[in-house]
Amino acid sequence: DAKTTQPNSMESNEEEPVHLPCNHSTISGTDYIHWYRQLPSQGPEYVIHGLTSNVNNRMASLAIAEDRKSSTLILHRATLRDAAVYYCILSNYGQNFVFGPGTRLSVLP
Amino acid sequence: DTGVSQDPRHKITKRGQNVTFRCDPISEHNRLYWYRQTLGQGPEFLTYFQNEAQLEKSRLLSDRFSAERPKGSFSTLEIQRTEQGDSAMYLCASSPPGRINTEAFFGQGTRLTVV
Repeated sequence: DAKTTQPNSMESNEEEPVHLPCNHSTISGTDYIHWYRQLPSQGPEYVIHGLTSNVNNRMASLAIAEDRKSSTLILHRATLRDAAVYYCILSNYGQNFVFGPGTRLSVLP
Repeated sequence: DTGVSQDPRHKITKRGQNVTFRCDPISEHNRLYWYRQTLGQGPEFLTYFQNEAQLEKSRLLSDRFSAERPKGSFSTLEIQRTEQGDSAMYLCASSPPGRINTEAFFGQGTRLTVV
């Protein structure tokens, strides 16, 4: 399974944008990039996914580098409810997601 | 649609006992997954069903673990002769048919404590 690397933790101020980076230098041409987040005492929650083009949805935006070796999850205005562990995952036609330790995002009021 | 439901939410058992967890996926989701999560770690894949067929099993799933999905709807995960190292959150997820690489919907998990 292709691996991703993420910072262990990040901090953001409330109502400011947050850019969560992910490196995946060994990504294959058919790997999708998925982002999930996990709030305390909850199961993981889908955020967004993409293959090559940048993606937007109501929760976030996903910016994918042209060489696909890195991506960035963008939360446009962080709220206190966005404090969670964010996981960047590669998936190739399957759902056997390989979760790493993720990035713990703290949002300061 | 009530989401993925797991039962029980918490289970405390004595070492050596057997435990069984249940997962009810979202209606009409044909794919079902089990993950295990220990404190401070991301979830680890255990096994995957498509309808009633168990298509993939992690090597983490020792012979003490067994999972079933008899009619392609709900699933059970049984752990026999529990050990303290089995203490973890057990997560179930489901996803709909038809699309490759669609999102998975996770339940809130069953927290197992082996004493």
